Amino acid sequence: GAVVSQHPSWVICKSGTSVKIECRSLDFQATTMFWYRQFPKQSLMLMATSNEGSKATYEQGVEKDKFLINHASLTLSTLTVTSAHPEDSSFYICSARAGTGMGQPQHFGDGTRLSIL
Amino acid sequence: QKEVEQDPGPLSVPEGAIVSLNCTYSNSAFQYFMWYRQYSRKGPELLMYTYSSGNKEDGRFTAQVDKSSKYISLFIRDSQPSDSATYLCAMSVGNEKLTFGTGTRLTIIP
Repeated sequence: GAVVSQHPSWVICKSGTSVKIECRSLDFQATTMFWYRQFPKQSLMLMATSNEGSKATYEQGVEKDKFLINHASLTLSTLTVTSAHPEDSSFYICSARAGTGMGQPQHFGDGTRLSIL
Repeated sequence: QKEVEQDPGPLSVPEGAIVSLNCTYSNSAFQYFMWYRQYSRKGPELLMYTYSSGNKEDGRFTAQVDKSSKYISLFIRDSQPSDSATYLCAMSVGNEKLTFGTGTRLTIIP
């Protein structure tokens, strides 16, 4: 149980392109989803927290106009990297929290490797 | 000082050995403690999830939490080459965001 699917797994595109990444909870409803960025050999860096039906909360230093997050349903959140540039190349990972009980763990997708040429 | 300290390794042990992975933390308010396993180019996979102090066992894995010492551990018995991965500890206060350790890179040598 608690499966999170992320798509696409790898995308290569030209500088200036906007890229959308989808995160779906397959077998549970997720009122809260998270988006992380991970650089090689480093831990996960939280970018934003999204709650279904409301605006995402961004971490300090993350440009909300660059990284658009939509959480339109209890099973789907999307991250759009707008006008992507080479410095946006990274490994992006989403997670979802099952249930609304206190301290529920996060379950992660398999990540999206984004390469901007 | 980081909120969560974790030795990045790398740690190499022979197949069949017991592996001990540890994290220390400074925030006494942390209540929920997790261990994730991350293979290369994959997302983290939840291994163990514990609340407050105590031990929890699941198959070959045992998680220990000592809140008085602000110290958590993950033990892997009868280690296998397939256990080779990066292990991340994570913790939270209630439903607040997770605070991760840097991860320990583990290699099990056949």
